[in-house]
Amino acid sequence: ETGVTQSPTHLIKTRGQQVTLRCSSQSGHNTVSWYQQALGQGPQFIFQYYREEENGRGNFPPRFSGLQFPNYSSELNVNALELDDSALYLCASRSLAGGATGELFFGEGSRLTVL
Amino acid sequence: SQQGEEDPQALSIQEGENATMNCSYKTSINNLQWYRQNSGRGLVHLILIRSNEREKHSGRLRVTLDTSKKSSSLLITASRAADTASYFCATVLTGANSKLTFGKGITLSVRP
Repeated sequence: ETGVTQSPTHLIKTRGQQVTLRCSSQSGHNTVSWYQQALGQGPQFIFQYYREEENGRGNFPPRFSGLQFPNYSSELNVNALELDDSALYLCASRSLAGGATGELFFGEGSRLTVL
Repeated sequence: SQQGEEDPQALSIQEGENATMNCSYKTSINNLQWYRQNSGRGLVHLILIRSNEREKHSGRLRVTLDTSKKSSSLLITASRAADTASYFCATVLTGANSKLTFGKGITLSVRP
């Protein structure tokens, strides 16, 4: 039990649509990051938020965007969905006590299928 | 791009045996972490080793780090069927924004 919850757990969209994925982390976890995990691959870093501002981004296009809210929740938005966006999307938070480079606490993920 | 590369890609052992998994990386790191994932679910943190550490233990887990060879190994002793999962090494690079860079993972099967 990591204390990080994600919704929805599964969803199906069609190409060109938009999707919003949600994450709620523990109190005191002021850093949240999102990862994309394609089938058979390791997670790939999308971006990270600290105190509601993006402070790091991976190699993903601008149609991937996010928000972090003061209540330790966050969102990942993906516009103009493409077939290759089909993946498991993982939210992860990091506690203040763990420091800037400490362990991540992952949610169970949202599995997105784009048809 | 993958910073960490795990080896082997798949490992099948008998319950009670030890499992050794290796990870190599390319650039200077702040720390290296190992995670476990059951059947495409969320990842669970196992152990973190800092760049100035050479070995750490946690229960049945032992991790080593050789910064000169840019490699790490994870040893699971006295494996159990419940250890069946995918294992990933992830690095936090020196001076990076603290993101984790994962390898492709190792699939461990422990036969009862």
